[in-house]
Amino acid sequence: SQKIEQNSEALNIQEGKTATLTCNYTNYSPAYLQWYRQDPGRGPVFLLLIRENEKEKRKERLKVTFDTTLKQSLFHITASQPADSATYLCALLYNNNDMRFGAGTRLTVKP
Amino acid sequence: DAMVIQNPRYQVTQFGKPVTLSCSQTLNHNVMYWYQQKSSQAPKLLFHYYDKDFNNEADTPDNFQSRRPNTSFCFLDIRSPGLGDAAMYLCATSSWTPGDRGGYTFGSGTRLTVV
Repeated sequence: SQKIEQNSEALNIQEGKTATLTCNYTNYSPAYLQWYRQDPGRGPVFLLLIRENEKEKRKERLKVTFDTTLKQSLFHITASQPADSATYLCALLYNNNDMRFGAGTRLTVKP
Repeated sequence: DAMVIQNPRYQVTQFGKPVTLSCSQTLNHNVMYWYQQKSSQAPKLLFHYYDKDFNNEADTPDNFQSRRPNTSFCFLDIRSPGLGDAAMYLCATSSWTPGDRGGYTFGSGTRLTVV
């Protein structure tokens, strides 16, 4: 069965640095890969979507890459701020409306 | 603002007593989903509706049922809640047209406690 692994449970970085989060999966590549932010006790909030034929997507301080050969996506937050502290989930979306989440990486940005 | 609203935010139910969680949306999205999320775990898809078509995940227990009476509303019924069903239940919507997908919009969730 499909497995989705996010690089670590927790990542601590200093304010102003770039945070890099990893999402690896097994088996077949999804049609789309998405990244969400989730704050404690809240629902996930959609950040970015990248298609299987795209290599990179950017939105303000966020950048996502997608390598279907490595079966990996990287999520970068540049010039990180304490307000970026949250859990970040990657999600694989297949054409049959099936979307599977990773367990998330909890990012803490220290002032 | 268009949104997904889940009620209630917190629900306490007794072991074995049926409970219903509700979700409404003003986005007019054609797909609605129910996810179960336990602490520090990935949200787990229970089922989804594509318009009126119901799609159940193979490993969703029979104890969980869903209804979608119209585009705007979707309900999650837990017929006989057990202690293991305590979790956050998330409703999400998306607009699906062939070749065009966007992000999902989630509600704030309902935290279910079983006593």
